[in-house]
Amino acid sequence: AQSVTQLDSQVPVFEEAPVELRCNYSSSVSVYLFWYVQYPNQGLQLLLKYLSGSTLVKGINGFEAEFNKSQTSFHLRKPSVHISDTAEYFCAVGRGSTLGRLYFGRGTQLTVWP
Amino acid sequence: EAGVTQFPSHSVIEKGQTVTLRCDPISGHDNLYWYRRVMGKEIKFLLHFVKESKQDESGMPNNRFLAERTGGTYSTLKVQPAELEDSGVYFCASSRDSNTGELFFGEGSRLTVL
Repeated sequence: AQSVTQLDSQVPVFEEAPVELRCNYSSSVSVYLFWYVQYPNQGLQLLLKYLSGSTLVKGINGFEAEFNKSQTSFHLRKPSVHISDTAEYFCAVGRGSTLGRLYFGRGTQLTVWP
Repeated sequence: EAGVTQFPSHSVIEKGQTVTLRCDPISGHDNLYWYRRVMGKEIKFLLHFVKESKQDESGMPNNRFLAERTGGTYSTLKVQPAELEDSGVYFCASSRDSNTGELFFGEGSRLTVL
């Protein structure tokens, strides 16, 4: 079975500071990894994904994540955040050919203060 | 292009009543998914339609939940009779392909059972 752990439920940071949102997963098989973001009053949207290839993945809005198989982690990073990055971020795992069935973490609320 | 739309955005009902949630996917998306987030917990998969057929309904919690997608367009999720533990946000998502992991989510329907 898959499980996804987002270690921080809330992350407050000041504008222009760097941020890292942590995600660890457990799986006995190869997985595919995703970060989704939900801005206030909107649906979730895909931020980035790792399916194969380079372990450093770049996404929208300046975010990137690194797949670390030995540590079973997929942490999300941004070197300098903006107030508009305030949102809830979800790490998710999929496997096999049915990547529509995703296993989500509990989410991390990122709040950027001026 | 219109996104995934869900109706109602919020529903408050009493235990034992019936509620029907509706989802209109993005036009041309054969894959439609229902997910649910109970407060404070992770977003969990409920089921997956490919056109009008149920591809995977293993996430449906019990037989009080009935999902349909007549004609392969919009979908409904009926809860009858509703229980307190059914409260949460029900998300619908759609995708053109089921092997990319990129799902397009609606804003969700918040269900409160009193």
